[in-house]
Parts: sequence; structure tokens; C-alpha cells
Amino acid sequence: GAGVSQSPRYKVAKRGQDVALRCDPISGHVSLFWYQQALGQGPEFLTYFQNEAQLDKSGLPSDRFFAERPEGSVSTLKIQRTQQEDSAVYLCASRDGRHQATEQFFGPGTRLTVL
Amino acid sequence: DQQVKQNSPSLSVQEGRISILNCDYTNSMFDYFLWYKKYPAEGPTFLISISSIKDKNEDGRFTVFLNKSAKHLSLHIVPSQPGDSAVYFCAASYSGTYKYIFGTGTRLKVLA
Repeated sequence: GAGVSQSPRYKVAKRGQDVALRCDPISGHVSLFWYQQALGQGPEFLTYFQNEAQLDKSGLPSDRFFAERPEGSVSTLKIQRTQQEDSAVYLCASRDGRHQATEQFFGPGTRLTVL
Repeated sequence: DQQVKQNSPSLSVQEGRISILNCDYTNSMFDYFLWYKKYPAEGPTFLISISSIKDKNEDGRFTVFLNKSAKHLSLHIVPSQPGDSAVYFCAASYSGTYKYIFGTGTRLKVLA
């Protein structure tokens, strides 16, 4: 089947604009993760969903960041009033099941550039 | 505070030789470790994992070694191929949690 898909692949926003990034996980995957990857760094955890429940949002850097997964499949990461420091690649990952010993499958990411 | 460290940002190896990528961690609670490979403009792809109850796991040309006392793991690729050229990320997790903590990555270049 298809892997994790993300859209758009590239997004350029002016400082202060709101953006919405979409993630389509692998069908049937219970767990969904968002990560932020700054240039030259590894992915950093933002938030975690189990079905439609957001169980952990401890990695969201500010209250300008908001994520949802209302029907337990597609997820949207929204960033309000974007700042230059929000420029990064945003990665979505999904996993079949809840156990840590099952690898996460990553999408290609959305590269956000805030001017 | 970097809990997972990859101290070599880059590594070049001749085709056919062994590539050894290293990773150190500080959190003794970590009990599950993974390696991901990433090509440009693509998401990370799972390569191999190891549980803390083992000290070695092998999958084809890829072997991961875990030294718990030293809080160190390494990925061996033998023989290295040009298609292995990518950025390799080490990641760690522990029971009761679900998130991975990633290192900063090592860029491997395999020279033909």
C-alpha cells in the first residue's frame, strides 16, 4: 500500500501568516507523530496521536502550534502567526500499534520557509 | 541537553569497505534503539533496530552493536555500496514512552 504522504511538500510563508500542513498516514495505523527537523539537526518530537486522541503535545514549541486528527486518520499541523524560527522540515510518521518496538514510518516532509 | 549524540557529522568510505557509524546516549532508561537512513528530499527510512536485551542484531549487510555499559551503539555496513550514501540517524526510546529521540545524523559518502 501507499506510504505516509504529506502536503504541501514545500511552503513559503511571510512572517505572520498562518499555515496548515497535512499528513496522510498509512491506512490503519493507530499512532501518528509530528516531528520538526531544523537544518543540520535530527528530527525533534512535537506531538503524538493515538487514533483521534492527542496524548502528548509536550514538544510543541509554543501555543502558535496546533495539531488535530479529528477522525483518527488524516492529521493537520497548524502554525499561526509564523515566525522565521519556524522554518524547518516538518515530518509526519505513523506506526501500526502502540508499542515502542515497532518502527515509525515517515513521510517525505513539508519544508516550511518563513520570510 | 542532547540525550543522543552522533559526534561525527560526516564519514567517507571506499566502496566495498566497512562503514562504521557511531552513536552515544546519556539516558540509561533507553531500551530500544533504531537506525534510520535519509536521502535528500525524502523522509527517514527505517534500517535496523535493537532491544537492550541484545548486544547485536544483524540484517544482511547491516549490523548494529549495543554496548550498554558504555552507552554506545554502532552501525556496521559491510560491504559499503555507493547507494548507501545518505544521512544516518540514530534514535532511542524507552518502555512506557512512544517518542523517539534522534541524534543529529552522520552523512555517509561511499566512494566508487
